[in-house]
Amino acid sequence: AQKVTQAQTEISVVEKEDVTLDCVYETRDTTYYLFWYKQPPSGELVFLIRRNSFDEQNEISGRYSWNFQKSTSSFNFTITASQVVDSAVYFCALSEAGNFNKFYFGSGTKLNVKP
Amino acid sequence: DAGVIQSPRHEVTEMGQEVTLRCKPISGHNSLFWYRQTMMRGLELLIYFNNNVPIDDSGMPEDRFSAKMPNASFSTLKIQPSEPRDSAVYFCASSTSDLTVHNSGNTIYFGEGSWLTVV
Repeated sequence: AQKVTQAQTEISVVEKEDVTLDCVYETRDTTYYLFWYKQPPSGELVFLIRRNSFDEQNEISGRYSWNFQKSTSSFNFTITASQVVDSAVYFCALSEAGNFNKFYFGSGTKLNVKP
Repeated sequence: DAGVIQSPRHEVTEMGQEVTLRCKPISGHNSLFWYRQTMMRGLELLIYFNNNVPIDDSGMPEDRFSAKMPNASFSTLKIQPSEPRDSAVYFCASSTSDLTVHNSGNTIYFGEGSWLTVV
């Protein structure tokens, strides 16, 4: 079974729409970390956020927000008022207490924001 | 602050040639990772080092691949001989294992990648 599932392969929205990218994870550890990375068309992988399993407080950074819910094992990412520059592939990832160096990446969600 | 630095950014080589990819991790980071990304397989961890020592190389495809980390600020990934199926983007990344570092301990920071094409 996949440790991190990003069921949405590709999403297309029109600029200024809100969009939520889903991430569901699976782990038996009580201590773990969740991450989101952005890969724009230029190809680099950019770190966006890290959340530990003991902190379920939602986080907001500008137009970005993250909703961490342990009850549903989800760590969803919402972009408010999307812009063309948000077009990218977004990866969710998990690392567990057993080995924090081993990251489990989801397959990514490609977001297309059209003008 | 300087991020992870990789070279070359792009390389086109002929099958059978040796390819060497280079990486300079973020200063102060003690873990270094080599990932490969392809459309078919997504992001794959090839090998990672902790304090310059290889810890897990189970992702290295075969004996044609080798990686070294002679010191804390430099690592290489070598493919010899290269084959067309090695064409991919190779990412180097680094992290610190100090979990007390606010919001970034154990976070992996990636370089810009080395785009390898073997023809």
